[in-house]
Amino acid sequence: NAGVTQTPKFRILKIGQSMTLQCTQDMNHNYMYWYRQDPGMGLKLIYYSVGAGITDKGEVPNGYNVSRSTTEDFPLRLELAAPSQTSVYFCASSDPTRISYGYTFGSGTRLTVV
Amino acid sequence: GIQVEQSPPDLILQEGANSTLRCNFSDSVNNLQWFHQNPWGQLINLFYIPSGTKQNGRLSATTVATERYSLLYISSSQTTDSGVYFCAGASGSARQLTFGSGTQLTVLP
Repeated sequence: NAGVTQTPKFRILKIGQSMTLQCTQDMNHNYMYWYRQDPGMGLKLIYYSVGAGITDKGEVPNGYNVSRSTTEDFPLRLELAAPSQTSVYFCASSDPTRISYGYTFGSGTRLTVV
Repeated sequence: GIQVEQSPPDLILQEGANSTLRCNFSDSVNNLQWFHQNPWGQLINLFYIPSGTKQNGRLSATTVATERYSLLYISSSQTTDSGVYFCAGASGSARQLTFGSGTQLTVLP
């Protein structure tokens, strides 16, 4: 039972490069989320999904894209990386039928844009 | 969306001391969770507590929904309790949580 798995754990990008942060969960959760955490700050929601084929913007979606083709996977795409996207990115999932179980988070991806 | 305020922002304790962390919400919430982020960055769910009181070992939480606040109590603190404690909430039909800025807890041996 792996829970939520994020890859890679660390990445350095040059300005203007693109990359995809991978997130997969094996708990059959319908809801998945992407958050970013800047140093010393709380988490801000980038995008979320309530099921395969359904995604919606969160508080800070600019510069990112997502897709949800399967229940398990929720990749986050960065196009034209900028220094402002230097952050730690967390993926999470939850089961709407078991809301009291709360969120399960991945271990995060630390991204630096130089 | 709702606003979430946490206090205090920083807290330093000696091992064995008790502490209370507070979370205020700008609107009624139907989903409220407390998380612990350990020094390695891992986020662990502590409580789902939109109302009432729950206890888990040395940790307990109380949410007074009518007054829009929640409290996290840590008793007999240990060095392993160090890290950042976040509360997060959602209101109405929203499924996505809004996080506070956290309380950085340091427990000294």
